[in-house]
Amino acid sequence: DVKVTQSSRYLVKRTGEKVFLECVQDMDHENMFWYRQDPGLGLRLIYFSYDVKMKEKGDIPEGYSVSREKKERFSLILESASTNQTSMYLCASSSTSGGQETQYFGPGTRLLVL
Amino acid sequence: DQQVKQNSPSLSVQEGRISILNCDYTNSMFDYFLWYKKYPAEGPTFLISISSIKDKNEDGRFTVFLNKSAKHLSLHIVPSQPGDSAVYFCAASALGGGFKTIFGAGTRLFVKA
Repeated sequence: DVKVTQSSRYLVKRTGEKVFLECVQDMDHENMFWYRQDPGLGLRLIYFSYDVKMKEKGDIPEGYSVSREKKERFSLILESASTNQTSMYLCASSSTSGGQETQYFGPGTRLLVL
Repeated sequence: DQQVKQNSPSLSVQEGRISILNCDYTNSMFDYFLWYKKYPAEGPTFLISISSIKDKNEDGRFTVFLNKSAKHLSLHIVPSQPGDSAVYFCAASALGGGFKTIFGAGTRLFVKA
């Protein structure tokens, strides 16, 4: 059974703090993604990675960075958290073998920045 | 500019009836379309997909229809069940699009018993 896990379900941080969100997948997938989900806006792509140590900006990368040191792990970093980064953060992974891919999502981390 | 649009934020349907969720897209390069289902406090899960070479794909109670000329797809659920109550996201991607999938804003479906 495929599994994507995220380190925290809920986080409360203060403005200016550095925040780390961790994601691990056990499917040996090449691709990993970080999204944020906001009401009325759906899922917006922050960053993605198609290989170890590779990263690409998504649609809303400002204020975020990522790290992929191992194939199974993809970390999202909020360098200096701000209140407008309060959101649900979703990690996903996929494999491109066989053409078009389906993404598998983790349960999400609900982040509140005070 | 939203490339994938779900114009109905919510939909309410009686149990046993048909649910129809709609999605429009603007990018003619999209050639693969997916529907994901999301329950509260869980991540989205893949439901059904369709390639642009088809106009219909069916999986049990779920059918997706694609109208390329209108850049429109729809998800039909029949018969609807209370357990289908969730948020449904339409998504689209392009082969060679750099692994990116574009998601719509979602439609919340309520199935009343």
